Amino acid sequence: DTGVSQNPRHKITKRGQNVTFRCDPISEHNRLYWYRQTLGQGPEFLTYFQNEAQLEKSRLLSDRFSAERPKGSFSTLEIQRTEQGDSAMYLCASSMYKNTEAFFGQGTRLTVV
Amino acid sequence: AQTVTQSQPEMSVQEAETVTLSCTYDTSESDYYLFWYKQPPSRQMILVIRQEAYKQQNATENRFSVNFQKAAKSFSLKISDSQLGDAAMYFCAYRSAGDMRFGAGTRLTVKP
Repeated sequence: DTGVSQNPRHKITKRGQNVTFRCDPISEHNRLYWYRQTLGQGPEFLTYFQNEAQLEKSRLLSDRFSAERPKGSFSTLEIQRTEQGDSAMYLCASSMYKNTEAFFGQGTRLTVV
Repeated sequence: AQTVTQSQPEMSVQEAETVTLSCTYDTSESDYYLFWYKQPPSRQMILVIRQEAYKQQNATENRFSVNFQKAAKSFSLKISDSQLGDAAMYFCAYRSAGDMRFGAGTRLTVKP
């Protein structure tokens, strides 16, 4: 297994368009996390899954954001009607269970123009 | 809600010297885990060290060690014999049964 994989690595989109990112976690990991990171800041929690169940979603997260993890494997994060403020690095991480560390992917950098 | 605070936006250390990065957190939980992650420029986040709250002994990983003060809710990272490759953003993270929360980070510069 090569670790957590995120695609695409970079995405440039026009304001108002919808975008979707994909995360493939480490295969035996049942927890999957999405974070947003802006330059010089720490990762900001967006949501997390245990298997296919979405257990928590940040209250700061706009309704334009949605995430899925069908069959408890890969996950997608969709942003509808993108805004310039959505420009950031979107990080995915996975872990075995609550008491283990999370392994991160390389992130998807979104630029909204 | 749990919060993680890193009060040092930037730190600098001379190569081969020792540096300590600070972290405090706020929680009402008794069972939780603490981590230090390293993020080199334009590279992915990697784990440096972890500490279980129920363990009194401070974790150590080669040149990296922590000073975990549970009552004070403090979790500092000490890097000994600093190397040029240690230059990166360092994030303190807290995790209980749910999600993992991060501090704002400390940018560490290593001077040759």
